[in-house]
This record gives sequence, C-alpha cells and structure tokens, in this order.
Amino acid sequence: DSGVTQTPKHLITATGQRVTLRCSPRSGDLSVYWYQQSLDQGLQFLIQYYNGEERAKGNILERFSAQQFPDLHSELNLSSLELGDSALYFCASSGQGVGEQYFGPGTRLTVT
Amino acid sequence: LAKTTQPISMDSYEGQEVNITCSHNNIATNDYITWYQQFPSQGPRFIIQGYKTKVTNEVASLFIPADRKSSTLSLPRVSLSDTAVYYCLVVRNTGTASKLTFGTGTRLQVTL
Repeated sequence: DSGVTQTPKHLITATGQRVTLRCSPRSGDLSVYWYQQSLDQGLQFLIQYYNGEERAKGNILERFSAQQFPDLHSELNLSSLELGDSALYFCASSGQGVGEQYFGPGTRLTVT
Repeated sequence: LAKTTQPISMDSYEGQEVNITCSHNNIATNDYITWYQQFPSQGPRFIIQGYKTKVTNEVASLFIPADRKSSTLSLPRVSLSDTAVYYCLVVRNTGTASKLTFGTGTRLQVTL
C-alpha cells in the first residue's frame, strides 16, 4: 500500500460526458501528479501540482483539467469524453523529490 | 528534455542477474534518473534513483556512466515475481518547474 488513494476504482461512461477522478496523496506529500496509461501503453505524464499550484504540464488535452485543493487532495476533470480516453489514470505523490513518486492503484475509465 | 529509449522486452531465467539499459542521449545537468517497476493493473513502484556513478539499495543497483547518456538497472538473482514492466524516468526539477519523461518500458519475463 503506497498511501495514495484514488476514487473511483472503475468508471464507465458514455462519449461526450464529463467525469471527475479524485486522488488523496500520502500524508505530508505536497506534490501530486496525474498520468494516463492506455491499454498496453506506457505512462503519459499529464500534469503536476505542488501545494495547490500547477508545477508542470505534460501531454494534457485541453478537454482535461486538474486542481489541487488546500487539503492537498487533487481532482482530474475529463470532459467531452471520447472512446480514446479509455485508459487507466494514475495519481502519484511525492515530497521534496520529484523522482521518488508513490503511485495510487489507479482509476480505470471506460468510455462507451 | 531528454528522450528515453529502452528495449521493448527481455527474457531471463530465475536466479540470473538482469541488466536493463535506458538511453537518454540529451540528458541535462539538472536531470536525474529513476526506475520504476509495474505489475499489470497496478501503479508503478519506485525502485531506485541516481545522478551519476553507482547507487545500490536492497533490491537493485543503478549504474550511470560519466557521460550520463545511459543508465543500467541491475536486478541480482531475479525470481518469477520480478516479471513486470520496468520504466526509467528522467526528471528535471528546477525548483519552480519539473519535467518528467518516462521511458517506453521494458517487459521482463522471468521463467524457471
């Protein structure tokens, strides 16, 4: 158990809809990262927040947005969903060091 | 930002030493290298991190040559449970922003 929690575990929705994925980092970690992993694909970095502020942006689509709240939990919002958005979405957290990240169990999103 | 390349797959017998190399030709001075292990449908798990020369912990060693254009993860005496995908991650943390580039992943298959 990494200490990072993600909800929901599974999500099935239709094209065009909007969903929100939630992540709670490890106690004391200020950074939260979001990643997308499509079937049998590698990890695509989406975005990082540090203590409520956006720190780094990767290959995140304009239809996607994220935020980190004062209690440090984070939400990833995916809108106008397309079939290609079906994937595992991972959240990770870290302390001062960016390299040593602790990953949650992921949310499996299926868009039908 | 450093582009990373790894072999797609490797096979090994149980009890052997396995070396997985990651190429990161245009790594910058501020970048450091981290390796992760991922089992199917689980979040990646941190293995080891280094900047140069050699780093060793209880599960692996990381070798980084002087030019830092590649790194090698060494797993001593692998077991069946080491069958997983291994990712290298090049991280640049400039204080106000981070850049993260995951490698393509190496699928390690360990057999008896």
